[in-house]
Amino acid sequence: GEDVEQSLFLSVREGDSSVINCTYTDSSSTYLYWYKQEPGAGLQLLTYIFSNMDMKQDQRLTVLLNKKDKHLSLRIADTQTGDSAIYFCALRGGGYQKVTFGIGTKLQVIP
Amino acid sequence: DAGVIQSPRHEVTEMGQEVTLRCKPISGHNSLFWYRQTMMRGLELLIYFNNNVPIDDSGMPEDRFSAKMPNASFSTLKIQPSEPRDSAVYFCASSNPRGGQFQETQYFGPGTRLLVL
Repeated sequence: GEDVEQSLFLSVREGDSSVINCTYTDSSSTYLYWYKQEPGAGLQLLTYIFSNMDMKQDQRLTVLLNKKDKHLSLRIADTQTGDSAIYFCALRGGGYQKVTFGIGTKLQVIP
Repeated sequence: DAGVIQSPRHEVTEMGQEVTLRCKPISGHNSLFWYRQTMMRGLELLIYFNNNVPIDDSGMPEDRFSAKMPNASFSTLKIQPSEPRDSAVYFCASSNPRGGQFQETQYFGPGTRLLVL
């Protein structure tokens, strides 16, 4: 099965950039997602990228995909205290919809 | 749209009791997922329904867990008997694969926080 790995914790100062990393094992992953979970809430889709893309930018968010190294990253520019949350990397192959989630990276933004 | 609705939001019960968690997916979504989230294991898929039919229940931990989807707008996850190690947050999510690629995105409910004493 798919293995998705993330570091557990990241701390940044407000205004700095945050980079959350994810590595995976299944090269056939077709859709790659970043979800955000705020305290006491469910997961919310933040952004996504197709496997045939290398980069996607969406306002303060930049997703980079290195298929050779099976590495996905999420960069948050000008990180705000409201960005404090747990960020999940998730991957899905084509066909069957099963999505494999990483364990989540807790982002702490220091004012 | 109200989003995915789960009830109860919090449940505290004693070991051995039956627990029933409920989920109402987003109207029009024909896929429904039950997940369990713990600190140790992260987010685990328990079972996946498509058009009310269970497709993949390989994540259901043991026979004490059962899930049903009697119609397109309602699903239950039951634990009988419950044990302290079942304490976790249980999420329901729904999606609509017919709507196009990224409408296959899973939309999560707020979760049910279960504590078994």
